[in-house]
Amino acid sequence: AQSVTQPDIHITVSEGASLELRCNYSYGATPYLFWYVQSPGQGLQLLLKYFSGDTLVQGIKGFEAEFKRSQSSFNLRKPSVHWSDAAEYFCAVGALSFQKLVFGTGTRLLVSP
Amino acid sequence: NAGVTQTPKFQVLKTGQSMTLQCAQDMNHEYMSWYRQDPGMGLRLIHYSVGAGITDQGEVPNGYNVSRSTTEDFPLRLLSAAPSQTSVYFCASSPPRGDSNTEAFFGQGTRLTVV
Repeated sequence: AQSVTQPDIHITVSEGASLELRCNYSYGATPYLFWYVQSPGQGLQLLLKYFSGDTLVQGIKGFEAEFKRSQSSFNLRKPSVHWSDAAEYFCAVGALSFQKLVFGTGTRLLVSP
Repeated sequence: NAGVTQTPKFQVLKTGQSMTLQCAQDMNHEYMSWYRQDPGMGLRLIHYSVGAGITDQGEVPNGYNVSRSTTEDFPLRLLSAAPSQTSVYFCASSPPRGDSNTEAFFGQGTRLTVV
């Protein structure tokens, strides 16, 4: 069965500092991997996705993620965090692109001045 | 283009009551799904549909019914609400095949409280 682990429940980063959110997945074949962001009281917005090809994926809002098959990881990074990045971030894996997504438990990002 | 529309946004139910959460999309997507979001548990798949007339169970289907009579609509029915169904519910839709130009679209959510 598919599963996603986000080991960090909360992360606090100073504004302007770099960010890395961790995501490990368990899946038997080549996975479809996603990162979503959720602002308080809002729905989910897709940041980026990995289907195949280049393992370094660029997304919106300056985010990127790297797929590492050997480590079963898909960590999200941003070189310089802005206060508006404070939100909850979810990593997800899908068996058939966007169908039947399995989500991690989320990481809440707090940005300090 | 409205995307995915969920109604209502908020609802309070008494234990044992029934209700239907509505979900509509105007993107002609074949695939639609319902998730529930609980603190510390992420989103979990309740039911999904790959097209009109076809539905299937997800990870947590008990206590919920769905039907898909049209491509646009995918309502979620709670037959007899229980406090354990207090959650935020999200509907999503996507094309049948994903590629670099597609994505799943989520509604804004329905916050349901069962007392």
